[in-house]
Amino acid sequence: QITLKESGPMLVKPTQTLTLTCTFSGFSLSTSGVGVGWIRQPPGKALEWLALIYWDDDKRYSPSLKSRLTITKDTSKNQVVLTMTNVDPVDTATYYCAHRTRSSWYYWGQGTLVTVSS
Amino acid sequence: QSALTQPASVSGSPGQSITISCTGTSSDIGGYNYVSWYQQHPGKAPKLMIYDVINRPSGVSNRFSGSKSGNTASLTISGLQAEDEADYFCSSYTSSTTHVVFGGGTKLTVL
Repeated sequence: QITLKESGPMLVKPTQTLTLTCTFSGFSLSTSGVGVGWIRQPPGKALEWLALIYWDDDKRYSPSLKSRLTITKDTSKNQVVLTMTNVDPVDTATYYCAHRTRSSWYYWGQGTLVTVSS
Repeated sequence: QSALTQPASVSGSPGQSITISCTGTSSDIGGYNYVSWYQQHPGKAPKLMIYDVINRPSGVSNRFSGSKSGNTASLTISGLQAEDEADYFCSSYTSSTTHVVFGGGTKLTVL
């Protein structure tokens, strides 16, 4: 059974750095073809893909946010970490991590709501 | 603005069939058979409904089907049920450096 769970702060102040951790089970991020990514959804709005890391450490980022994002993995801990610098109230959203294979997001975490406010 | 274009809303009565379109380019939908569709109920995480254009994951009702023609993919839901009321998002692999592109989502209302 594959599960993913996001963790991190519920509230961050503008200009701070947001760090989110995705802890997963049921699969290995060292398996060929597998990836883990982050997708966010502002309240009432569409899904927005942020970043993706593959089993071979290949990393992909949303062009509009690339300068602010870093994605890393710790295969031994079954974790993927996303950092976002210089957050703004427009970054308020539910952040999801998801398992990716064959170019589809097969399994999703429950999501974590992050509010950016002073 | 999302890279893939979906209608903002569609509606149908119970028992009817509806189709949601998702339009991209030859760099994504038109160039690869890696279109996927997701269902999202309010307050819930998205759920994969269709992958690789036409395939259903185990446990997804056969009332859901996918197809593609040129740069446009489609999700059809037949025999509409009240529980189908949700937001639906499409996604595709893209040859751009990002590898990932999403649609803006379609709200399905079951009348």
